[in-house]
Amino acid sequence: DARVTQTPRHKVTEMGQEVTMRCQPILGHNTVFWYRQTMMQGLELLAYFRNRAPLDDSGMPKDRFSAEMPDATLATLKIQPSEPRDSAVYFCASGTPLGPYNEQFFGPGTRLTVL
Amino acid sequence: QKEVEQNSGPLSVPEGAIASLNCTYSDRGSQSFFWYRQYSGKSPELIMSIYSNGDKEDGRFTAQLNKASQYVSLLIRDSQPSDSATYLCAASGGGADGLTFGKGTHLIIQP
Repeated sequence: DARVTQTPRHKVTEMGQEVTMRCQPILGHNTVFWYRQTMMQGLELLAYFRNRAPLDDSGMPKDRFSAEMPDATLATLKIQPSEPRDSAVYFCASGTPLGPYNEQFFGPGTRLTVL
Repeated sequence: QKEVEQNSGPLSVPEGAIASLNCTYSDRGSQSFFWYRQYSGKSPELIMSIYSNGDKEDGRFTAQLNKASQYVSLLIRDSQPSDSATYLCAASGGGADGLTFGKGTHLIIQP
């Protein structure tokens, strides 16, 4: 059963704490995307990697967010320090883009609440 | 600034009827278009992708693309209560490119 997995599924933390979210892409997918969803802004692209190399992180607040892909089976998104405005659902998606074909499959998400 | 616009709804359709969802996009360089379905509290689920002008059918779903008008639509035939969800339209420049999403249309199928 090929699915994107994410951990933790829920995270409640206090302002100023570090938060790390993890994603395991579908086996064989070479591109990983991080999105954030809020009621006000909808789904927004934060960053993405291809073959573990960062391609674009322009959607990410650089001062507090960082994204890495230490190996082909793990992508991480870290927030340090966290703020209440970071409360959102963070989704990881994976795919194997080729030409215009860019289907992306989403994980279950990490629901983050920063108090 | 790439934008994808959708009517937020709610769009209410009787069971068995055709539901028609629409979106427009601002970036003429967009090459790939997608429809995702999202149930409350769940993640987006890909239901249709379309890359060329015209229609693409998959079961009860038909996606339509008109690049000249920068317009994408999704038709759901024989609507079922289980189709009640938020439908997200997304566009991409193609290749290893992130998706730009609309804010979604909330569809309600009335039994």
